[in-house]
Order: sequence, then C-alpha cells, then structure tokens
Amino acid sequence: NAGVTQTPKFRVLKTGQSMTLLCAQDMNHEYMYWYRQDPGMGLRLIHYSVGEGTTAKGEVPDGYNVSRLKKQNFLLGLESAAPSQTSVYFCASTFPLPTEWTNTGELFFGEGSRLTVL
Amino acid sequence: RKEVEQDPGPFNVPEGATVAFNCTYSNSASQSFFWYRQDCRKEPKLLMSVYSSGNEDGRFTAQLNRASQYISLLIRDSKLSDSATYLCVVNDPLSGAGSYQLTFGKGTKLSVIP
Repeated sequence: NAGVTQTPKFRVLKTGQSMTLLCAQDMNHEYMYWYRQDPGMGLRLIHYSVGEGTTAKGEVPDGYNVSRLKKQNFLLGLESAAPSQTSVYFCASTFPLPTEWTNTGELFFGEGSRLTVL
Repeated sequence: RKEVEQDPGPFNVPEGATVAFNCTYSNSASQSFFWYRQDCRKEPKLLMSVYSSGNEDGRFTAQLNRASQYISLLIRDSKLSDSATYLCVVNDPLSGAGSYQLTFGKGTKLSVIP
C-alpha cells in the first residue's frame, strides 16, 4: 500500500528558484496538510485542505502556495525560494472526524521532503 | 496562538526504567489528544489516543486532565526500541463546520540506554 507519497524526497535550490512539492494519497482522504519541521521548532502547519478545490492558510503560510485540484493530490509551491525555507516538509492526510467524536485523529504522513535553499 | 508545550528533554534512561512525559495545552476548546512517536529522520506516527478516562496500551499509559489542560504519557519497562521523540498532539477546531487542525508540541526526546 502506497499511503502518502511525497516527491521529491531531496532537493537543493538556489535562492530565488521556484519548485513544487507533490503529495499524493491513495486512501481517499478528504483532509490534507503541509507541515514544515525545523530543529527546535516542531511541526508547523503551512497550509491545509479540507476537500478538493479548497485550501486554507495555516500557521506559517508566507512564501508558499498550494493547490488541491484533485482529491488525491496536494501541491506545495515555493515561488521564490529563500534560505529560511530550508526545512523538512511533511505532507499528511486523514478523514474528517465524524460528528460523534470517535477520537481517532490519526494523521498519515509521507516520508518527508528535505529541501535545502542555498 | 494555540500552544502545546512539552519538556524537550533529552531523557536518558536505562533499559527497564519507567519514564513519564508531560504536556500542557493552551486552548480550552481543544477536543482530542494524542501521542505520536517520531524516529530520527522519519515521519511521525500515531502512538496512541488519549481519552478522558485514561487509557493503556501494553507498557504505555496515557492520561488527560481537562481541568488542568495537561496530558501525560508513561512508559514502563523501557526498551532500547522506545528511543525516539514523543510528540504531544492536540486537535483544535477551526472555523468552518467540521474542520480542525492538529497542533503538535515540539517533542520530548527519549534515549534508552543499555
């Protein structure tokens, strides 16, 4: 089972270059998220999507754009990369929790994409 | 800003020891709570959910105190394979019906020593 797949897994960029990270999930999940993880900072939410065609800003959205044209894919774009965007990026997906709170809350993560901006 | 605070550690404990991690959260509207485990250079994975009545899964026990906005994880009889970073995670409702986000603590690093 593929689960959540992120591509690329590693990338080195120069300042000012653009790139797109692709997240694909085959679990028919509605909710998808992009996080970044930096040493000492924990996981911080960049953008999220609660369904196909919808996106919203998270805690640290500046410098990033996203699109969810298909339910299974969530793209994260860097229009003009900066050294501050050097990080490990994780995509995650899940079903929305039902109204009767069954308390699963399990996010399924991809393996991460390590981005270095020089 | 919603906060989830954890002691960063590291906790260095011998095999067989009992170790406890604590976590506090700032949003009283938070609805559900979890512990995730993250191995070095890997993605986080769900360890266990935390229920109001407390719950146990083998050597792991999770407790929640809503009044104090406090969550704990107890690991008994530590194994070398328990070495990892443990993330406290809180589910916060967002504006928009049914939408929510998970807020992660920065994690507590555990090293179990032979």
